[in-house]
Amino acid sequence: AQSVAQPEDQVNVAEGNPLTVKCTYSVSGNPYLFWYVQYPNRGLQFLLKYITGDNLVKGSYGFEAEFNKSQTSFHLKKPSALVSDSALYFCARNSGNTPLVFGKGTRLSVIA
Amino acid sequence: GAVVSQHPSWVICKSGTSVKIECRSLDFQATTMFWYRQFPKQSLMLMATSNEGSKATYEQGVEKDKFLINHASLTLSTLTVTSAHPEDSSFYICSAQQRLGYGYTFGSGTRLTVV
Repeated sequence: AQSVAQPEDQVNVAEGNPLTVKCTYSVSGNPYLFWYVQYPNRGLQFLLKYITGDNLVKGSYGFEAEFNKSQTSFHLKKPSALVSDSALYFCARNSGNTPLVFGKGTRLSVIA
Repeated sequence: GAVVSQHPSWVICKSGTSVKIECRSLDFQATTMFWYRQFPKQSLMLMATSNEGSKATYEQGVEKDKFLINHASLTLSTLTVTSAHPEDSSFYICSAQQRLGYGYTFGSGTRLTVV
């Protein structure tokens, strides 16, 4: 079955430092991988996706993610964190025509 | 860009009553809509998938008679929580897809509290 795992419930980082939010995916079919961000009591906002092509995907608000097939990972990164990046981040996957399956989410706190 | 409007943003209802949540795609036609439920500090759990003009496909464990989904047009899907109970209190989020292979656009969510 398709799944994604986010091993960290919480990530804390100082403002200005690089941030990484981890995601690994199950080896099942050709994964389409996504990152979304959720602010309190709001829906999900799309950040980026990997379908095919370049392993390094650049997305909204300066975020990027690298598709690593050998490690089955799709970690979200940003070179310099902002306090406004503090939110709940979800990794998700599907196989093109199937509904999105989400990880449990990682709460990012950026401390000034 | 694609916008999905979800209403209401929050609702409080009495136990035993029914609540309807609407999800509208404002600038595109959504052939498929998805309904998710999110518990506090947890991930989104897919409840059902609905295609315009056909019956929704419910995930295992989701009561179709309790969570009625209607997708009568390409721009509107509704979720009705019937005979709501406190355990139905949750955050419900819809997502719309224009067509297969296209991206997903999420509504802003509905916080349902049943008292």
